[in-house]
Amino acid sequence: NAGVTQTPKFRVLKTGQSMTLLCAQDMNHEYMYWYRQDPGMGLRLIHYSVGEGTTAKGEVPDGYNVSRLKKQNFLLGLESAAPSQTSVYFCASTEGGEQFFGPGTRLTVL
Amino acid sequence: EDQVTQSPEALRLQEGESSSLNCSYTVSGLRGLFWYRQDPGKGPEFLFTLYSAGEEKEKERLKATLTKKESFLHITAPKPEDSATYLCAVPTPRGNTDKLIFGTGTRLQVFP
Repeated sequence: NAGVTQTPKFRVLKTGQSMTLLCAQDMNHEYMYWYRQDPGMGLRLIHYSVGEGTTAKGEVPDGYNVSRLKKQNFLLGLESAAPSQTSVYFCASTEGGEQFFGPGTRLTVL
Repeated sequence: EDQVTQSPEALRLQEGESSSLNCSYTVSGLRGLFWYRQDPGKGPEFLFTLYSAGEEKEKERLKATLTKKESFLHITAPKPEDSATYLCAVPTPRGNTDKLIFGTGTRLQVFP
């Protein structure tokens, strides 16, 4: 089992550009999450999904959109990147209880 | 407001020097507490789940304990490979799932 995988691992964007981060899990988990991690602030929830075709806002959703068209995939989109979105992004999944995390995507917006 | 606070922010230990990391929380109705280990450039790796006061879990040199207000991660005779950031998190209800509230972590360095 690969667990939770994320692509890409690194990305540099210019302000105003768009991109999509892909998260995939092979554990057949219902619940999936997108977090961002910034120095001194801990992990913060951006959006989450409780099943295929569903999405919901977390605590810091502004500037991001998500989609869950297939149970195993959860996509995070940035329509118009801003420097404030420079961060490390983590995807996680669970069937209940502990969440399992991917390796992260380091995004820099110039 | 639900909150998780970890201390110390950073801890430097000599190999073999035992110590403890603290995670204090304020949540209404604890539904579990999770400990994770995070290595630089990697995602958090699950270590333990504790559900009720008095519960203890062990894994190699690590032992996690839980009281009604805080959790401790005890590290016995640490080795350099135990160097990492240790995160704790508590779940709070959000819609049909749980939102994890994370502490900012304790960065542990173990020197030979």
